Amino acid sequence: GDSVTQMEGPVTLSEEAFLTINCTYTATGYPSLFWYVQYPGEGLQLLLKATKADDKGSNKGFEATYRKETTSFHLEKGSVQVSDSAVYFCALSDWSNFGNEKLTFGTGTRLTIIP
Amino acid sequence: GAVVSQHPSWVICKSGTSVKIECRSLDFQATTMFWYRQFPKQSLMLMATSNEGSKATYEQGVEKDKFLINHASLTLSTLTVTSAHPEDSSFYICSASDYRGPNTEAFFGQGTRLTVV
Repeated sequence: GDSVTQMEGPVTLSEEAFLTINCTYTATGYPSLFWYVQYPGEGLQLLLKATKADDKGSNKGFEATYRKETTSFHLEKGSVQVSDSAVYFCALSDWSNFGNEKLTFGTGTRLTIIP
Repeated sequence: GAVVSQHPSWVICKSGTSVKIECRSLDFQATTMFWYRQFPKQSLMLMATSNEGSKATYEQGVEKDKFLINHASLTLSTLTVTSAHPEDSSFYICSASDYRGPNTEAFFGQGTRLTVV
């Protein structure tokens, strides 16, 4: 079945540091890939997505590129801020499933940015 | 984005009792709602998919008689954990969608942390 393997946390960085959170996947079909973010006390929010190979999703300075050859969708940001502290989830949705909302998640990575 | 409200955000209950968790879409009609569970250091796992007015579809290994899902209206779905036991302690989160075809975004509630003592 489909699965997502995500870099274990927690991750602690200083403000303005470069961020990478690794994510790899296995899927039988043609998945769409997502990064969700959960700020303290809030629900998961879609951060970015990519629906086909070589697509790059970007939002709020974060980027991730759909790499079919390495089955990866690593999240990057060039200069993190304290406000980026949150839990980040990598996820996929397989086209062969109903709709596009049936998601398979990674374990989540807790990111803490210190001033 | 649209807002999904989940209540309560945390609950502690005694073993053997039942707990109801509500998931509401506040500004859109949710034709489909999803319930997920996350055990410590594990992935969010889909438990069931519910469509308004019909019975929920449960994932393999999820006991439908233990986790009762009701999606009686286009803005409300409830998950009831019946006869809860300590092993049911987990983080439960819902998502809601007004499915309009592929790539329709689902919106998540903030989750409910259940502790059974």
